[in-house]
Amino acid sequence: SQQGEEDPQALSIQEGENATMNCSYKTSINNLQWYRQNSGRGLVHLILIRSNEREKHSGRLRVTLDTSKKSSSLLITASRAADTASYFCATDISGNTPLVFGKGTRLSVIA
Amino acid sequence: GEEVAQTPKHLVRGEGQKAKLYCAPIKGHSYVFWYQQVLKNEFKFLISFQNENVFDETGMPKERFSAKCLPNSPCSLEIQATKLEDSAVYFCASSPPHFVAKNIQYFGAGTRLSVL
Repeated sequence: SQQGEEDPQALSIQEGENATMNCSYKTSINNLQWYRQNSGRGLVHLILIRSNEREKHSGRLRVTLDTSKKSSSLLITASRAADTASYFCATDISGNTPLVFGKGTRLSVIA
Repeated sequence: GEEVAQTPKHLVRGEGQKAKLYCAPIKGHSYVFWYQQVLKNEFKFLISFQNENVFDETGMPKERFSAKCLPNSPCSLEIQATKLEDSAVYFCASSPPHFVAKNIQYFGAGTRLSVL
């Protein structure tokens, strides 16, 4: 069963603005990852945060994790039209176990 | 190879026909995962392999679905007697041994199965 829930389901912003997506999950986790899916393509790994970490950065991406609230957020700064995609959070309970995905946020960045 | 290769890209079957999907994981990766994506959002885990051994099959439907990963061959997912509700995009992902990367999975482009 799906354990993650992203919000918002859809987000539309202007190029240059920041985009924030949230993810909640239900059980204890080992890692939380964010993936991007362009239309008609597979998932591309963006960033991973371990359960003992609170914040992580990678380029224009910033991820936070609050294990007490069982939630995470993904911030994309200075968005570009090429960031238009669906973004999914995914959790696991240990190494090489299946990823449990949320339902995704569809991000549209308008040039 | 450096990418997970899934074939075919699109597969059309009449209800009751068999469907077989293939996945070549990235060379050196020892884990393979199959996921089903319905309606462009929800991903459902089906089965995973560690090399040629079934690692976790808790998501696999009890009937009609089977999968294999044999040495020196692409992995395969087979659906016998397809039903309309099997229409989905099936993704394969591979990952290196756990000590190399922390369960980061590398996805193929998917096979879209349309059951008519």
